[in-house]
Amino acid sequence: DAKTTQPPSMDCAEGRAANLPCNHSTISGNEYVYWYRQIHSQGPQYIIHGLKNNETNEMASLIITEDRKSSTLILPHATLRDTAVYYCIVRSHTGTASKLTFGTGTRLQVTL
Amino acid sequence: GAVVSQHPSRVICKSGTSVKIECRSLDFQATTMFWYRQFPKQSLMLMATSNEGSKATYEQGVEKDKFLINHASLTLSTLTVTSAHPEDSSFYICSANLGPNSPLHFGNGTRLTVT
Repeated sequence: DAKTTQPPSMDCAEGRAANLPCNHSTISGNEYVYWYRQIHSQGPQYIIHGLKNNETNEMASLIITEDRKSSTLILPHATLRDTAVYYCIVRSHTGTASKLTFGTGTRLQVTL
Repeated sequence: GAVVSQHPSRVICKSGTSVKIECRSLDFQATTMFWYRQFPKQSLMLMATSNEGSKATYEQGVEKDKFLINHASLTLSTLTVTSAHPEDSSFYICSANLGPNSPLHFGNGTRLTVT
């Protein structure tokens, strides 16, 4: 799987937008960008994924640059419950490459 | 939505014994499930890919005779940690997806403590 690079930690004030960046400069044309988060002592939670278009769902928005070498996950109004480790992962949908390989992620701390 | 259930959530066992962890897909069939392990303050590491009706595929460095995986049905995969040692104490997490183009969904993990 292509590797991703994320800042190790970020802070965000409650109610503000949290913008989490991710670099994936070696992404292949058939690889999707996935975002998961893990709250302490729980399994990872799926947030959103995309190929090349921007995506939005009830949890977040995903902005992928035109060259697909980087992306940003946006939590529009962060709450204390959004404190977690956020993982950006690139994943193919075919064969054995469909597995998810986790990096070190970004630890987001939402504060009052 | 799709749900993956793991059991037990916590288990404590004595060194030398074996422990079985179950992973179930509750409202969908999963031909493939993935097993991960996570040590404190570290990321998730893929251990093996569990394939329904065939042998599991193990990642490099994972002992297949120690971590036995059985995927006998489309809704159940089991991981058995055999002859457990304290260094096997970890957080074990399984995942599955509805199909190759769908996101992986994860169970809530099993915290294993070997004394």
